[in-house]
Amino acid sequence: DQQVKQNSPSLSVQEGRISILNCDYTNSMFDYFLWYKKYPAEGPTFLISISSIKDKNEDGRFTVFLNKSAKHLSLHIVPSQPGDSAVYFCAASGINNAGNMLTFGGGTRLMVKP
Amino acid sequence: DTGVSQDPRHKITKRGQNVTFRCDPISEHNRLYWYRQTLGQGPEFLTYFQNEAQLEKSRLLSDRFSAERPKGSFSTLEIQRTEQGDSAMYLCASSSEGTGAFFGQGTRLTVV
Repeated sequence: DQQVKQNSPSLSVQEGRISILNCDYTNSMFDYFLWYKKYPAEGPTFLISISSIKDKNEDGRFTVFLNKSAKHLSLHIVPSQPGDSAVYFCAASGINNAGNMLTFGGGTRLMVKP
Repeated sequence: DTGVSQDPRHKITKRGQNVTFRCDPISEHNRLYWYRQTLGQGPEFLTYFQNEAQLEKSRLLSDRFSAERPKGSFSTLEIQRTEQGDSAMYLCASSSEGTGAFFGQGTRLTVV
């Protein structure tokens, strides 16, 4: 049972345009959501997070939107840069998860073309 | 403190051998996690420590796997009698109350 899903395995965007990465979850007990970026042969790097009490969180070029009723979150990157090319994972945790352990989606590979 | 450190970065071992990986978390973090990632998948939770206590273990953690955090600082993950299906990236992460999890660079295990 996959509780966190990223339905797009890959996304290609032109430099300067907006990248939108999507994530859906099924567990209504999740109350904290994170996005991680991963380069090959490296561990995931934390990007941005959002608590379920909010519907938007912004940090520079990165904005995460949360729609609790739809159990959907998205990451917007504006403007996209070639250095953003990586695999992006969304992750979720909840009050019932021991120590806030994370459940990850399968990842979306973003390619930003110059 | 430069972040979560894992050693070794890469390990190639023959099937049936035992391997041990080490993780040094961010010093002020009392929570430590092990995850496993296979190709094309997101990381999967294996186990969680709060200080030296192992509080949660995933069903993925078979009897051949054991993790320790003896003094509440560094942690080790041992795999006994390795199998080809154990080939994966093993990721360690640490956090404290109110922070997100910060990951190390991982140990890539290849069982031949």
